[in-house]
Amino acid sequence: ETGVTQTPRHLVMGMTNKKSLKCEQHLGHNAMYWYKQSAKKPLELMFVYSLEERVENNSVPSRFSPECPNSSHLFLHLHTLQPEDSALYLCASSQEEGGSYNEQFFGPGTRLTVL
Amino acid sequence: AQKITQTQPGMFVQEKEAVTLDCTYDTSDQSYGLFWYKQPSSGEMIFLIYQGSYDEQNATEGRYSLNFQKARKSANLVISASQLGDSAMYFCAMRLNQAGTALIFGKGTTLSVSS
Repeated sequence: ETGVTQTPRHLVMGMTNKKSLKCEQHLGHNAMYWYKQSAKKPLELMFVYSLEERVENNSVPSRFSPECPNSSHLFLHLHTLQPEDSALYLCASSQEEGGSYNEQFFGPGTRLTVL
Repeated sequence: AQKITQTQPGMFVQEKEAVTLDCTYDTSDQSYGLFWYKQPSSGEMIFLIYQGSYDEQNATEGRYSLNFQKARKSANLVISASQLGDSAMYFCAMRLNQAGTALIFGKGTTLSVSS
């Protein structure tokens, strides 16, 4: 595997279900991100992990719970979601080195549908 | 707060022609980076080009060039010799020069290339 992978690619869940999205980066990066992309809206940052510590949480509802067990893996745990949470969830990673500008590499995304 | 504005919801161009996608940004910081990403219908975000706020020359990557006008706070993407495979959504993004900060995206422009 190369780059950034995400599983599953598609997920349909009911509002009472609990599921998890997984992201894995094979680039040796030290920062990982979750973004949400809803129809006709800009990508919204959800969470940032730098060196496995959460550094930003953009007022995301508690029904979304991130986990970063190591620098290569990032999870997004989902529970009691709402239909408006249906979106494309994108994971990204980057190598942060003293503020230098490094592009973020994105995974293919998980398309989530909440019924 | 930082903001990215893309005023063109959709653009149409014929093969082999050049096209300019507009992007303006707003920030009070002096040190930042500007990025363009391409998102095909498959959903993945593909990095195209980067421009640093202190770079004096416009960035170029193959058929992509970034027309950076700092005083006007604009960072337009120019695609020369358009190809059918260029049909996609294009996002302009910005991040500050701080470790662990994430990208702030515009709403995107849909580019359609016809033969």
